[in-house]
Amino acid sequence: EVQLVESGGGLIQPGGSLRLSCAASGFTVSSNYMSWVRQGPGKGLDWVSIIYSDATTYYADSVKGRFTISRDNSKNTVYLQLTSLRVEDTALYYCARGGGTVMPLDYWGQGTLVTVSS
Amino acid sequence: EVVLTQSPATLSLSPGERATLSCRASQSVSSYLAWYQQKPGQAPSLLIYDTSTRATGIPARFSGSGSGTDFTLTISSLKPEDFAVYYCQQRGNWPPTFGQGTKLEIK
Repeated sequence: EVQLVESGGGLIQPGGSLRLSCAASGFTVSSNYMSWVRQGPGKGLDWVSIIYSDATTYYADSVKGRFTISRDNSKNTVYLQLTSLRVEDTALYYCARGGGTVMPLDYWGQGTLVTVSS
Repeated sequence: EVVLTQSPATLSLSPGERATLSCRASQSVSSYLAWYQQKPGQAPSLLIYDTSTRATGIPARFSGSGSGTDFTLTISSLKPEDFAVYYCQQRGNWPPTFGQGTKLEIK
């Protein structure tokens, strides 16, 4: 059974950093595209970042230079390092399998909440 | 980037009725349009991809159609569990983008 479990969210001050984790089971992250999507409070969905099976990475313009996606194949886990956080980064961050222009997002985790506030 | 505009913003219907949700793209996305369902307090889940292909386990009352810039999600006969927010998403152009959502509520 495919499962994605996010962790690492929390309350952080503007300018701070946080690392989100997405532990996968039921499939191998290194053989798949993995994405992060966020949802602001009461808002819609925004694509944030993707890591391809060949480790190529891409970012939304709003987070480029501040967020870094990576993976640990031995732990079958994907990460999203958030730095220089802004109030507008406050959101529920979802990890999902798939993405980019290649495939839909076919499995999603339950999300981890990041709140940026002073 | 491609802007997806969903209409209506809110759709009020009764169980058993037919629901028609629209998604319009600012430029052609070919057939690379997906629909997701999000229930309160839950993560989105994939319903339909590539315009009309149902994801695994999705009942036949859900169907998708369209091409280019105009797409439709149809729910043939609403069940109580179908009342949720629906998002369209395109992957025909970079970056992938989502619509703002249509809330399907019980009338």
